[in-house]
Amino acid sequence: DTEVTQTPKHLVMGMTNKKSLKCEQHMGHRAMYWYKQKAKKPPELMFVYSYEKLSINESVPSRFSPECPNSSLLNLHLHALQPEDSALYLCASSQVIFGTENIQYFGAGTRLSVL
Amino acid sequence: DAKTTQPTSMDCAEGRAANLPCNHSTISGNEYVYWYRQIHSQGPQYIIHGLKNNETNEMASLIITEDRKSSTLILPHATLRDTAVYYCIGGDAGGTSYGKLTFGQGTILTVHP
Repeated sequence: DTEVTQTPKHLVMGMTNKKSLKCEQHMGHRAMYWYKQKAKKPPELMFVYSYEKLSINESVPSRFSPECPNSSLLNLHLHALQPEDSALYLCASSQVIFGTENIQYFGAGTRLSVL
Repeated sequence: DAKTTQPTSMDCAEGRAANLPCNHSTISGNEYVYWYRQIHSQGPQYIIHGLKNNETNEMASLIITEDRKSSTLILPHATLRDTAVYYCIGGDAGGTSYGKLTFGQGTILTVHP
């Protein structure tokens, strides 16, 4: 099973709302990722967690707040977003991030619209 | 991470082999070549990866040149469901890039009936 589950599939929010995106995997992976993908563009890395600790923040604005409560779950908390933040948000996981091939398995994504 | 160069788009007839090239002339010795694809409105799907040797799995074959500066992904019998954006990525297997995969623009493969 190489399934990464993301909820919700679609989300519409206003600029003053607070919402959260959720990601779950049960493959025993210890690395989890958030990517952002604008229309007709490739995915861009936002955050990397390794063993539940934040390893990489790709200079993402603070209105995006990641959280990794345990090795199976990854959240992305959203607050005071802008319309330009509308995109497909992808979660991925891999066994680890060091010392071996890094095969990342992706979820189907959450399509976010900010009004 | 190695910079990769791929054609913007390619066409293939259903049932024929699709050969997707990728140039990664700046790849370093410990960087793997990964191939992913993304079907419209879905998350990227892992296809195959390799370091030096050619690789084959149930989805595709990967041919890496001896100097490792380029590779070709081969879908042996393309179907309409193989229509997608195909990404070739150079990734660091154990260095300081924390397993970061940097996606390029990819190749839009369209399989025609």
